[in-house]
Amino acid sequence: DGGITQSPKYLFRKEGQNVTLSCEQNLNHDAMYWYRQDPGQGLRLIYYSQIVNDFQKGDIAEGYSVSREKKESFPLTVTSAQKNPTAFYLCACRARGETYNEQFFGPGTRLTVL
Amino acid sequence: SQQGEEDPQALSIQEGENATMNCSYKTSINNLQWYRQNSGRGLVHLILIRSNEREKHSGRLRVTLDTSKKSSSLLITASRAADTASYFCATAPRGGTSYGKLTFGQGTILTVHP
Repeated sequence: DGGITQSPKYLFRKEGQNVTLSCEQNLNHDAMYWYRQDPGQGLRLIYYSQIVNDFQKGDIAEGYSVSREKKESFPLTVTSAQKNPTAFYLCACRARGETYNEQFFGPGTRLTVL
Repeated sequence: SQQGEEDPQALSIQEGENATMNCSYKTSINNLQWYRQNSGRGLVHLILIRSNEREKHSGRLRVTLDTSKKSSSLLITASRAADTASYFCATAPRGGTSYGKLTFGQGTILTVHP
């Protein structure tokens, strides 16, 4: 099956710890995105990558880091510098080209800081 | 600030009724998209309308776009209990280097009672 997966589904972190959220896709899409969603709110863009070995900051990149070493993988690290990391994190991917504007989303990871 | 603002924030209707959700935005767009999110899940793309289109249909969905008013509406006809979800509009900016990025609104929570 083609698709985009995220793991784990639930993640608990102690204050001061870094954690890494996984995002993998087998759709052969060039672009990948990380969003944060807080209760009752829309999605805010953290980081995005249009090709391998390249990524750009989104609107709320502070306290987060990413890497894009492989086309199919775009892991997000939530660092201890992120002051309020408890949220629902969504990864998405998109095919390159004008015709393909739709983003495909993973099922999300819910991060809770204890 | 949020590019897309949906209203109403919440909508409660009976099965069989029509549901209309509105979205306003602030800057010039290439296209506007609607997504659906079931509780605790990822987003699913519903429909895309380009800036040179005024109306588009897909099954029970009808989307309109008024670029002069910078607004869009999503109509779901003959609603079903399974349509219960949050609905988000997302705008893709015209031109620039932000190609592929979407800006999401805060969403409308739709509840369809059986």
